[in-house]
Amino acid sequence: QSVLTQPPSVSGAPGQRVTISCTGSSSNLGAGYDVHWYQHLPGTAPKLLIYGNTNRPSGVPDRFSGSRSGTSASLAITGLQAEDEADYYCQSYDSSLSGSGVFGTGTKVTVL
Amino acid sequence: QLQLQESGSGLVKPSQTLSLTCAVSGGSISSGGYSWSWIRQPPGKGLEWIGYVYHSGSAFYNPSLRSRLTISVDRSKNQFSLELNSVTAADTGVYYCARAPSGYYDPYYFDYWGQGTLVTVSS
Repeated sequence: QSVLTQPPSVSGAPGQRVTISCTGSSSNLGAGYDVHWYQHLPGTAPKLLIYGNTNRPSGVPDRFSGSRSGTSASLAITGLQAEDEADYYCQSYDSSLSGSGVFGTGTKVTVL
Repeated sequence: QLQLQESGSGLVKPSQTLSLTCAVSGGSISSGGYSWSWIRQPPGKGLEWIGYVYHSGSAFYNPSLRSRLTISVDRSKNQFSLELNSVTAADTGVYYCARAPSGYYDPYYFDYWGQGTLVTVSS
């Protein structure tokens, strides 16, 4: 059972902006542990989109941005494109589980 | 360019042991500075972190799997492995290996992933 909660789905028309929330607790995001975001297309390896809350790896478009505050974090996608249709996961660390990596429940982004 | 490639048993009988290996190329596990993880995704579900190993051989596991799990490293072959015993249908899924830069706490973020391998637990 994941300790990071995401909405099951979000959708938007091409060109629009969508946001995905990631809600944690005092033992993970609330404790100051960083959040990271991945894009996952079926049949492929997950791709790192955002690390350390707000940083984009080389090659990731600046349409993707991350933020965090307290026990929550968000991923924003601006200028939504058809190729952005995928599953998105947040990930962090949880100190209540004897030190454990944790993923969010995942969000399916649909481009209308 | 670092590459990771999973291999191992695709079909495992209930109560038996699931064994997978992740071969690393384009970089050396022995160089340190990273943790090497296994992550899985059951059908229709989200990602679950399984555990990681350092180049030293020290390993850390998801508490929910700890009693059944062993992750080890073979520096001479530049690979790391997973063994999960007493498997059930709930262990069916795609298994990924991944690298994470080491930080104040581990695992941090996963910057390189393998393509994943499907493991089915069935008699």
